Amino acid sequence: QVQLQESGPGLVKPSETLSLTCTVSGGSISNYFWSWIRQPPGKGLEWIGYIHYSGRTNYNPSLNSRVTISVDMSESQFSLKLSSVTAADTAVYYCARLCKESYYVGGFYYYYHYMDVWGKGTTVTVSS
Amino acid sequence: SSELTQDPTVSVALGQTVRITCQGDSLRSYYASWYQQKPGQAPTLVIYYKDNRPSGIPDRFSGSSSGNTASLTITGAQAEDEAAYYCNSRDSSGNHEVFGGGTKLTVL
Repeated sequence: QVQLQESGPGLVKPSETLSLTCTVSGGSISNYFWSWIRQPPGKGLEWIGYIHYSGRTNYNPSLNSRVTISVDMSESQFSLKLSSVTAADTAVYYCARLCKESYYVGGFYYYYHYMDVWGKGTTVTVSS
Repeated sequence: SSELTQDPTVSVALGQTVRITCQGDSLRSYYASWYQQKPGQAPTLVIYYKDNRPSGIPDRFSGSSSGNTASLTITGAQAEDEAAYYCNSRDSSGNHEVFGGGTKLTVL
């Protein structure tokens, strides 16, 4: 079955750019959306953004100015870049597959989302 | 604060039924999904789209929705169900994903 694996530096200096990659194995990167989520120590989950295999992106408005998510179909990878990091960006970063499916009611299509496959997560610490 | 509100902690006696709720205006328009997270582990999807369970999730987990509230019910809670539970749906604009703050479930 599909597996996801995050990779990247575990330590980033303040004001620098955090860069992580998620490798998709056991399945195709096509026809799905791919998400990044983070969890600061002792806190809840925060959605960062997602990318469609076509390259279309959607970011959390609170992070929008600092986030870039890209996809590399040839390598079955998608990546996260978060610029100008501070200690508040210290967290476990997860990648996940986001499924978007539809149902038809009263002449209209409606959509529901869920994240069905997650990576194990990677810890990133922002510190000098 | 999140646009989806969850009680921070809930407890249940072993074998009893517990309901974990998630409130938010967007839930009047969009379905919630639910994730279980045990300490040191990644979240796992347990419920999506109304009351659907991924393969391998026990049928004691069920979902429902009414008005601005989505609920995750565990019927006959087991010790292994002790975990944090997060709801996920859209924000009030409908354009972005958002998670609830999470509920820590203790099985007594």
